Amino acid sequence: TQLLKQSPQFLSIQEGENLTVYCNSSSVFSSLQWYRQEPGEGPVLLVTVVTGGEVKKLKRLTFQFGDARKDSSLHITAAQTGDTGLYLCAGRRNSGYALNFGKGTSLLVTP
Amino acid sequence: NAGVTQTPKFQVLKTGQSMTLQCAQDMNHNSMYWYRQDPGMGLRLIYYSASEGTTDKGEVPNGYNVSRLNKREFSLRLESAAPSQTSVYFCASSETNNYGYTFGSGTRLTVV
Repeated sequence: TQLLKQSPQFLSIQEGENLTVYCNSSSVFSSLQWYRQEPGEGPVLLVTVVTGGEVKKLKRLTFQFGDARKDSSLHITAAQTGDTGLYLCAGRRNSGYALNFGKGTSLLVTP
Repeated sequence: NAGVTQTPKFQVLKTGQSMTLQCAQDMNHNSMYWYRQDPGMGLRLIYYSASEGTTDKGEVPNGYNVSRLNKREFSLRLESAAPSQTSVYFCASSETNNYGYTFGSGTRLTVV
């Protein structure tokens, strides 16, 4: 059972464009994290959000946690080729322990 | 700064063979995890260890066993490999269950 659904599954854009990827669930999470994974490597943590409505910025990346703590979004401004990769959201439910991962959004940024 | 080290990086097994995937972390983390990543399936939890001396099943534990050898090391064993276990295996660690994970670079396993 996939608790976290990410959309879109694939995204191909040109450098300089803006984009938003989404992570949705019917479950409430105590915290939600975003990771980026490059080919042949393990995922790398980008951010953790814990409070409903929380917004965090990491340079050109903006992360938001939904008010009800069931969903999250990642917005990238002026995408660069270095942003190419697989973006994974992962949530920890109050009753659970280990992280549940979404299937990811594969982003390709072309020059 | 090694972080999480997984060995081997690549492995080909014949059906029915056994092997152990090794994982070690040097960050003094309490918790360690094994995930598998398959196309279209995302990362799925196999087993985890909340602290030294404890292990628990995840979403897809069948066909696997684990050992938390000490605080640093967490190994994953396939007793009788099957083609369905062809996957990329990731080990991860975290300070506690409230922190983000540090992943290793993965073991690419093919069972023929």
